[in-house]
Amino acid sequence: SQKIEQNSEALNIQEGKTATLTCNYTNYSPAYLQWYRQDPGRGPVFLLLIRENEKEKRKERLKVTFDTTLKQSLFHITASQPADSATYLCALPSPFSGGYNKLIFGAGTRLAVHP
Amino acid sequence: EPEVTQTPSHQVTQMGQEVILRCVPISNHLYFYWYRQILGQKVEFLVSFYNNEISEKSEIFDDQFSVERPDGSNFTLKIRSTKLEDSAMYFCAITQGSNQPQHFGDGTRLSIL
Repeated sequence: SQKIEQNSEALNIQEGKTATLTCNYTNYSPAYLQWYRQDPGRGPVFLLLIRENEKEKRKERLKVTFDTTLKQSLFHITASQPADSATYLCALPSPFSGGYNKLIFGAGTRLAVHP
Repeated sequence: EPEVTQTPSHQVTQMGQEVILRCVPISNHLYFYWYRQILGQKVEFLVSFYNNEISEKSEIFDDQFSVERPDGSNFTLKIRSTKLEDSAMYFCAITQGSNQPQHFGDGTRLSIL
């Protein structure tokens, strides 16, 4: 079955630095991958979607890479701010659901940006 | 601003009682999902609903669960006889098309006593 692994330990960084979060997956080749932000007691908020034919995607201070050979996605936040502190979730479409795929989520990585 | 509104934000119910969780999309979408997240655990898929029919369901979605679009806009999840282990955050999600992002509501926190 498909497995998604994200850093289980919290990532603590200093304000202004770049945060890099990792998502590794096994046992299949997804057509795309999504990153979400989740704050305590709230729903996941969509950030970026990257497709298998895209190596990199950017949105403001966010950058996502997708290496289908390594089966890995990296999520970067540049010039990080305390307001970026949250849990970041990686999600892949199930391979068996057709075009409107259910998502399989990783456990998330908690990011804490310190002033 | 989330594209879906979920009500109630928090529901406390006695074990064995029925609950109905509601999801109202801001614009017209055809594809809906319910996910749940037990405290401290991953977000996990429950059911997807397309064109007024269930298109896929997980092993969690047993006979105690049902989904409906009773009036063409609201989308509901019903749990007929709640169990303690049903306590979780329940999220509704929508998508605008094939292989497009899913957008989540802020969830309903369900607490079973």
